[in-house]
Amino acid sequence: GQSLEQPSEVTAVEGAIVQINCTYQTSGFYGLSWYQQHDGGAPTFLSYNALDGLEETGRFSSFLSRSDSYGYLLLQELQMKDSASYFCAVREAGNMLTFGGGTRLMVKP
Amino acid sequence: GAGVSQTPSNKVTEKGKYVELRCDPISGHTALYWYRQSLGQGPEFLIYFQGTGAADDSGLPNDRFFAVRPEGSVSTLKIQRTERGDSAVYLCASSLKGHEQFFGPGTRLTVL
Repeated sequence: GQSLEQPSEVTAVEGAIVQINCTYQTSGFYGLSWYQQHDGGAPTFLSYNALDGLEETGRFSSFLSRSDSYGYLLLQELQMKDSASYFCAVREAGNMLTFGGGTRLMVKP
Repeated sequence: GAGVSQTPSNKVTEKGKYVELRCDPISGHTALYWYRQSLGQGPEFLIYFQGTGAADDSGLPNDRFFAVRPEGSVSTLKIQRTERGDSAVYLCASSLKGHEQFFGPGTRLTVL
């Protein structure tokens, strides 16, 4: 079957660093994406890893290890506006995305 | 430029009724996807169009669900004989490059 596992909730303070892990088991794999979704809003694309290693985009970085079927999203210098749900998603054949259940990040002052 | 738009934003219907949900993708995006999202869960893939044709409809839960994209732009998701379990937010996304999908605000469907 296909499954993606990520923590359901993470809490951190403003200015801190937080890491959200994702492990996956899917029949096909082309890459791992991360999306952010604020309550009542649309998912928005954050990053994509097709190859092993670290991708950095501003305060956000994403890592992938294909051999371990594992990735993570790293958020630095946390801001209150980063409070949202974060989804990892595996890109499979045909570009469809299979999403994890999401991690709700709460940033406290 | 304009993003992905979806109409209506909210739809309340009665069990057994027929509904249509519309998606206007970003102009020029050839790929269009439908997902549905239940509260507290991640989006679940329904169907993917490349141009006018359905390239992958493996996520449609049963034959009550159908989607079209006749001119390769706007798409309509059609649900017949709605059931209470169909209640969810239906999300549409479009893309030009495969891995970055741009999502619309969704249509919240409530079946009473």
